[in-house]
Amino acid sequence: GAVVSQHPSRVICKSGTSVKIECRSLDFQATTMFWYRQFPKQSLMLMATSNEGSKATYEQGVEKDKFLINHASLTLSTLTVTSAHPEDSSFYICSARGTGTATEAFFGQGTRLTVV
Amino acid sequence: QKEVEQDPGPLSVPEGAIVSLNCTYSNSAFQYFMWYRQYSRKGPELLMYTYSSGNKEDGRFTAQVDKSSKYISLFIRDSQPSDSATYLCAVVSGGYNKLIFGAGTRLAVHP
Repeated sequence: GAVVSQHPSRVICKSGTSVKIECRSLDFQATTMFWYRQFPKQSLMLMATSNEGSKATYEQGVEKDKFLINHASLTLSTLTVTSAHPEDSSFYICSARGTGTATEAFFGQGTRLTVV
Repeated sequence: QKEVEQDPGPLSVPEGAIVSLNCTYSNSAFQYFMWYRQYSRKGPELLMYTYSSGNKEDGRFTAQVDKSSKYISLFIRDSQPSDSATYLCAVVSGGYNKLIFGAGTRLAVHP
């Protein structure tokens, strides 16, 4: 399957700082990227959907000013957690879907964020 | 009612057993159904996807969709310890074809 690279895999930051997570499609052009959040032993909760060159569409209850998503190119999307707090500690995962692919989405390896 | 319901388990089976993992969904308009496998602290990887009703087989894995009862299943034959993971069912929904996941079933295959 296609390769999606997510970086960093783990990050620890201080409360009040911002953290940027990158998601890259390595061997295909990703017209749509999704960002998920996953708590321990729970399923993936979709946070937002982004299409290249457009503003992200956020799911209900997700603060768009806190979780900034940028999808500036067909191979890169970023999620910035602004003014992070301990309750933002979680596993964040991106997925990407290519052009001409209506269904298959490939996932990154995830980022473990710990806010102290 | 959640759009996709899945028993979180855990499910523990001996090596070589046949495993049956199941989900139900609420919206009869869903057409694409996926199964993902997720190892601890890793992103999910796509195992199989099916369109509409019917069966799809890939090696030891068989995905089955019964649209009349809104029921999707994944069968694993001759299960191996390396199959121990969380299995997530998902449906494709909406204009952006976003994925809606079930809770995930934790499977442990013991030697």
